[in-house]
Amino acid sequence: KNEVEQSPQNLTAQEGEFITINCSYSVGISALHWLQQHPGGGIVSLFMLSSGKKKHGRLIATINIQEKHSSLHITASHPRDSAVYICAVGLKTSYDKVIFGPGTSLSVIP
Amino acid sequence: KAGVTQTPRYLIKTRGQQVTLSCSPISGHRSVSWYQQTPGQGLQFLFEYFSETQRNKGNFPGRFSGRQFSNSRSEMNVSTLELGDSALYLCASRRVASTDTQYFGPGTRLTVL
Repeated sequence: KNEVEQSPQNLTAQEGEFITINCSYSVGISALHWLQQHPGGGIVSLFMLSSGKKKHGRLIATINIQEKHSSLHITASHPRDSAVYICAVGLKTSYDKVIFGPGTSLSVIP
Repeated sequence: KAGVTQTPRYLIKTRGQQVTLSCSPISGHRSVSWYQQTPGQGLQFLFEYFSETQRNKGNFPGRFSGRQFSNSRSEMNVSTLELGDSALYLCASRRVASTDTQYFGPGTRLTVL
């Protein structure tokens, strides 16, 4: 079993739809990161969470430490949101060592 | 403020050769981390440097090494290249702590023939 899992693996949505991507992990963490990777490889750090909820524009990220689960929500999705979304966790026992999830490939159709 | 830069952007090598990749962090950032991304394994952590010291290391063989200079620029070296080393190598910088936002460079695409 992978230490960080994401669902769904692939997601196709119509423009305007509300999107949820889930991440679950099985290790003790110091923080959880959501990353966005566009075709061509560039990665952007979207959120870093250790508790609660964060919002940035149309993006919302939540984390439940007890359940070892995080969700990334995209409201009013747009074709420019099409990318791979990657969940990553920083290990509590190993400063700055990061484990990545497999990624969720999102395609938003106009 | 300039972002994280990586050179070269693309590189083709043959098995057995060695390669050195360079990463220049954002000005003022002292931590540089390196990652490998392959279609099969996804993103994997290689190592992290802070103030010229390796602060953490992932599960990669000793052929993968790195260093950081006093200006925070970092290099990673892969010796005796194997076909499986073909990957996108990403570096990322942050100011100091693991709670600081990490900024990624564009990556170096290494192809080993």
